[in-house]
Amino acid sequence: DGGITQSPKYLFRKEGQNVTLSCEQNLNHDAMYWYRQDPGQGLRLIYYSQIVNDFQKGDIAEGYSVSREKKESFPLTVTSAQKNPTAFYLCASSQTSGSFDEQYFGPGTRLTVT
Amino acid sequence: KNQVEQSPQSLIILEGKNCTLQCNYTVSPFSNLRWYKQDTGRGPVSLTIMTFSENTKSNGRYTATLDADTKQSSLHITASQLSDSASYICVVSEGREYGNKLVFGAGTILRVKS
Repeated sequence: DGGITQSPKYLFRKEGQNVTLSCEQNLNHDAMYWYRQDPGQGLRLIYYSQIVNDFQKGDIAEGYSVSREKKESFPLTVTSAQKNPTAFYLCASSQTSGSFDEQYFGPGTRLTVT
Repeated sequence: KNQVEQSPQSLIILEGKNCTLQCNYTVSPFSNLRWYKQDTGRGPVSLTIMTFSENTKSNGRYTATLDADTKQSSLHITASQLSDSASYICVVSEGREYGNKLVFGAGTILRVKS
């Protein structure tokens, strides 16, 4: 069963706590991405990684951190510095980071911080 | 500023009817345009991808058109089914020498009623 998995599907945290969202892919893709989706808005890029041990900030990286120690894994940590962390988080991967490469999305994690 | 605008914001149609969703963009330089379908609480799934030279592309009952001169695209759904109820997202890829920057529209929420 190939694809991208994200866990957990729903996550609840208290304000001030850091939380890590998991993203795993078995598609042998080099590039991986994290997006945030809020109601009525388009997806916004948080971080992306074109290759293992390398990652770049996206448009809204403040308050988030990532690591890419393995090709198949790209976890996202939402820190207490993120002012409004409640959102739907989507992980994606593509063969490379080329303009025509299809991005395949995971099922998402809905994070609620109270 | 690179933007993707979609209309209408939401749409309700009867099962079996056709509908057309609109997308206007100001992304430059342009690389390609994609339409995704996103079911509630799930990740987006690609429907079509079109380059500058392509005017139309079909995927089953979905037909996308692109007018690169006016920077407009449409997604036509024929003989709608209940399973077509979803959010449809227009995504434009910004042409870059390295990397793949996607600009997402906010989506059109389609509801198909029986």
